[in-house]
Amino acid sequence: AQSVTQPDIHITVSEGASLELRCNYSYGATPYLFWYVQSPGQGLQLLLKYFSGDTLVQGIKGFEAEFKRSQSSFNLRKPSVHWSDAAEYFCAVGPGGSNYQLIWGAGTKLIIKP
Amino acid sequence: DTGVSQDPRHKITKRGQNVTFRCDPISEHNRLYWYRQTLGQGPEFLTYFQNEAQLEKSRLLSDRFSAERPKGSFSTLEIQRTEQGDSAMYLCASSLSGGAYEQYFGPGTRLTVT
Repeated sequence: AQSVTQPDIHITVSEGASLELRCNYSYGATPYLFWYVQSPGQGLQLLLKYFSGDTLVQGIKGFEAEFKRSQSSFNLRKPSVHWSDAAEYFCAVGPGGSNYQLIWGAGTKLIIKP
Repeated sequence: DTGVSQDPRHKITKRGQNVTFRCDPISEHNRLYWYRQTLGQGPEFLTYFQNEAQLEKSRLLSDRFSAERPKGSFSTLEIQRTEQGDSAMYLCASSLSGGAYEQYFGPGTRLTVT
């Protein structure tokens, strides 16, 4: 079955420290992979995506992610976090069906310590 | 391009009442998706439109839920005889078709059923 696992429900990081959020997926073929961010009470904003090609992808707000086929992972990284990065981060995989719906992880809440 | 918009942003209703939500997608996007999100979870797929045709409905979607996209532009999601379990954030997303294009999300409608 297709699924996405984000093993960390919460992560606390000091401002200025580096960040890595984990995402593992189960999928029968080469997936399309996405990271979205959601601030409290808001919709989801696309950070970055991987469809094919270079396995290290750059996104907005200084984020990057690396696709590792052998590990079925697509971890999100940022070298130095800012207080404004505090939010919930969702990993998604597609297509989840014939109509390109996405399969979502449960999210990781990022808390920034001053 | 003003992004995906949703109306209302918040709705409080009493159990048993009907509610209707509206979504205006990005104008050139012909795919439109509805998702439901509860606290601490990723979005759950509800239904999908390609232009005006509703092509897929989740098994999660009971008969009390109906969605339309009459002219292939805006969409409405109606919930009849609301139940407390319907309390959630309802998210709308749109995308281009023809490939696995990323989905762009609206700010969501927060429904509270009392």
